[in-house]
Amino acid sequence: DAGVIQSPRHEVTEMGQEVTLRCKPISGHNSLFWYRQTMMRGLELLIYFNNNVPIDDSGMPEDRFSAKMPNASFSTLKIQPSEPRDSAVYFCASGTSGSYEQYFGPGTRLTVT
Amino acid sequence: KQEVTQIPAALSVPEGENLVLNCSFTDSAIYNLQWFRQDPGKGLTSLLLIQSSQREQTSGRLNASLDKSSGRSTLYIAASQPGDSATYLCAVLSGSARQLTFGSGTQLTVLP
Repeated sequence: DAGVIQSPRHEVTEMGQEVTLRCKPISGHNSLFWYRQTMMRGLELLIYFNNNVPIDDSGMPEDRFSAKMPNASFSTLKIQPSEPRDSAVYFCASGTSGSYEQYFGPGTRLTVT
Repeated sequence: KQEVTQIPAALSVPEGENLVLNCSFTDSAIYNLQWFRQDPGKGLTSLLLIQSSQREQTSGRLNASLDKSSGRSTLYIAASQPGDSATYLCAVLSGSARQLTFGSGTQLTVLP
């Protein structure tokens, strides 16, 4: 298995632009998680899906952030408009609701200038 | 709200030493605890997962223990090697939303 796949691996954009991060979970996993990692706040859960349905989005910082999971093999995290304080590494993880073990992707390093 | 603390924040040891990393959590009502490794600029690799009903898990030179009642876990690394240098993160799964809460990590450097 290729593991959790994220794209792009690096993204540099200007303030105000729309940013879309993509994630392909491990085949067969029915839970998907989006995290953000910064030096100041460490790893924080933004949102998670179970069977393609958003279960908890309380970690989404602002309305500028939105996430979708149109099918079991694809999810997006969108930031519109982006701001410099959104600069961070964004991780996607997947797992099964039975074991609750999560497998992380390599992350997308976002820089907003 | 669950809070996870890891001590020390950084640790530097000579190769071959045995070492212990500590993790504590405030809410003992957890489902499981995971130890992850993160290399610079990389994602997280799961090392060990301990279910709430278990006391310890072992994988090679790694041994993780869990004392749920006291809200503590330790990760023991035997015979450390330079390749063990990385940041080690502890995370607990808890709450009705089954949320994974991470500690801030321990940055380990093993000197050759």
